Amino acid sequence: DAGVTQSPTHLIKTRGQHVTLRCSPISGHKSVSWYQQVLGQGPQFIFQYYEKEERGRGNFPDRFSARQFPNYSSELNVNALLLGDSALYLCASSLGTTTQETQYFGPGTRLLVL
Amino acid sequence: AQTVTQSQPEMSVQEAETVTLSCTYDTSENNYYLFWYKQPPSRQMILVIRQEAYKQQNATENRFSVNFQKAAKSFSLKISDSQLGDTAMYFCAFMENNDMRFGAGTRLTVKP
Repeated sequence: DAGVTQSPTHLIKTRGQHVTLRCSPISGHKSVSWYQQVLGQGPQFIFQYYEKEERGRGNFPDRFSARQFPNYSSELNVNALLLGDSALYLCASSLGTTTQETQYFGPGTRLLVL
Repeated sequence: AQTVTQSQPEMSVQEAETVTLSCTYDTSENNYYLFWYKQPPSRQMILVIRQEAYKQQNATENRFSVNFQKAAKSFSLKISDSQLGDTAMYFCAFMENNDMRFGAGTRLTVKP
């Protein structure tokens, strides 16, 4: 079975631009979560989506938005990029949203903002 | 808000020996879940082991086991018979109300 996939693997943008990152969950998983991992730190929670609805949001500015599609894939959008947005963006999928469910991570998208 | 603390930024161990990675957390809740994730240099995060807070028995997965001390809010990971492939960043994580919090990680190096 295919795991969580993310695209692109690497991305270079300049300040002020917009970026869209994509994630496909494991087949059968209905929940997708997004994390930002700055170099040398642990991942920080950005969003969780389940059945196309936002179920959780971390402490990130409104420049960050996401959506989930009927096939449960998801996009993370970041507007007006800042240098500090440079990070590894991880997507994780799970069957549902209950606390007991394990999240499975994708390989990440490495974003560099110049 | 819950926080997760990993006090050991880096550790090393000889191949075949045992190493313990520490993690403490802070929460006022009684029902929650704890996880250890491994992130090898290739960067994909892999679940190592998980523990339900309502279970007193410590979780075990082959060479990996945890020492869960609920009252002390401590959740350490023991790796027995360390292998070169265990070299990675290890993250302790805490999940409560759909919010997963991670520690800063411990970089483990297994030496031949």
